[in-house]
Amino acid sequence: QVQLVQSGAEVKKPGASVKVSCKASGYTFTGYYIQWVRQAPGQGLEWMAWISPNSGGLNYEQKFQGRVTVTRDTSISTAYMEMSSLTSDDTAIYYCARGGISSWDAIDIWGQGTMVTVSS
Amino acid sequence: QSALTQPASVSGSPGQSITIYCTGTSSDIGGYKYVSWYQQHPGKAPKVMIYDVSNRPSGVSNRFSGSKSGNTASLTISGLQAEDEGDYYCSSYTTISTVVFGGGTKLTVL
Repeated sequence: QVQLVQSGAEVKKPGASVKVSCKASGYTFTGYYIQWVRQAPGQGLEWMAWISPNSGGLNYEQKFQGRVTVTRDTSISTAYMEMSSLTSDDTAIYYCARGGISSWDAIDIWGQGTMVTVSS
Repeated sequence: QSALTQPASVSGSPGQSITIYCTGTSSDIGGYKYVSWYQQHPGKAPKVMIYDVSNRPSGVSNRFSGSKSGNTASLTISGLQAEDEGDYYCSSYTTISTVVFGGGTKLTVL
């Protein structure tokens, strides 16, 4: 079945970096955009970025530009989200999600989420 | 990009209808037909209920409907059921090719 499987929970110290992976299966990875969304504890959804696995084209929410890097490896159908200079405000569940064939298409499949905890 | 504006909470009794409004600007909701609504239950990933303003994915009950007027989108749930309780988020594409979510609305079925 179509699914996105993310890497496991992470605990990081302030100032560190974290890299979350998102492996796609059950569909053609290069045919659909991947979106990254985070959700802080008890808070709402926050969009971070999208990437086209086909072209490598991407776009970031302005607040994350320069601190977040989204990449993909088509040979293993996996997308990555790396965030640097972590602070406690980055403690959240990070979701990768499948969009559509265009960057404006809605998300139809979500990963299980990766909990990132930033604590000294 | 500022978050879209949603009421923090709404409630209704079983069988009733409720509407959740989502207000944006001409740079997001008002500029595109790419508005989606997501339902999220505690501890679960969101699930799309409406896409492209008013389209329902396969498997989503026809009790859910969406519309848009100007810079405001709305989600209506008719015939409320206990399982509809949860958090609802609107989202829209923007003129700078990003995506913006609303702050979320907690739906309580009384």
